[in-house]
Amino acid sequence: EVQLVESGGGLVQPKGSLKLSCAASGFDFNSYGMSWVRQAPGKGLDLVADISSKSYNYATYYADSVKDRFTISRDDSQSMVYLQMDNLKTEDTALYYCTVASVYWGQGVMVTVSS
Amino acid sequence: DVVLTQTPPTLSATIGQSVSISCRSSQSLLHSNGNTYLHWLLQRPGQSPQLLIYSVSRLESGVPNRFSGSGSGTDFTLKISGVEAEDLGVYYCVQGTHAPPTFGGGTKLELK
Repeated sequence: EVQLVESGGGLVQPKGSLKLSCAASGFDFNSYGMSWVRQAPGKGLDLVADISSKSYNYATYYADSVKDRFTISRDDSQSMVYLQMDNLKTEDTALYYCTVASVYWGQGVMVTVSS
Repeated sequence: DVVLTQTPPTLSATIGQSVSISCRSSQSLLHSNGNTYLHWLLQRPGQSPQLLIYSVSRLESGVPNRFSGSGSGTDFTLKISGVEAEDLGVYYCVQGTHAPPTFGGGTKLELK
């Protein structure tokens, strides 16, 4: 059974930083791209960042709204994926999901950016 | 990026009614390897999205067979044959053929 467990969310002030973690199990982690998708309250799903597998040279993608502020990374030896979020803005407030190829999802972790 | 357009945005149904949701893509979702990576998700209230159908028409394990998917190229449809109360929520199509993955805007299924 695929399991994705996110951690690291919380309340942070504007311009602050947070690092989200996602522990994955139940599938061949090394073979799949991983993504972080966020959902603002009452809104739809927005891809934040994506990282491919080693086979595709760990290529990364970032939404324009987070480029140069967020960094996605992965540790295949630990089946972990991370999202380092710097210079946070109030509009980054959302529930952040870790996903495998956008088909399997964790329970999400809340990030609130407020002074 | 590929744009997925879902219609209708809201769907009102009675229990037992059959309904369909459309997902149209701005470009063909047929991958060069012959697969089409168009999937359907359901997000029930207060829950994370869950996979219903993958690769157009393949039912995820444990998903009732009243759900079915069809389509090809740029036009895809999710059908629910006999809505049940547990089916209420927001349905999303998602494509993984072209990087980056993209999502439709969602269709909210409500009880009439």
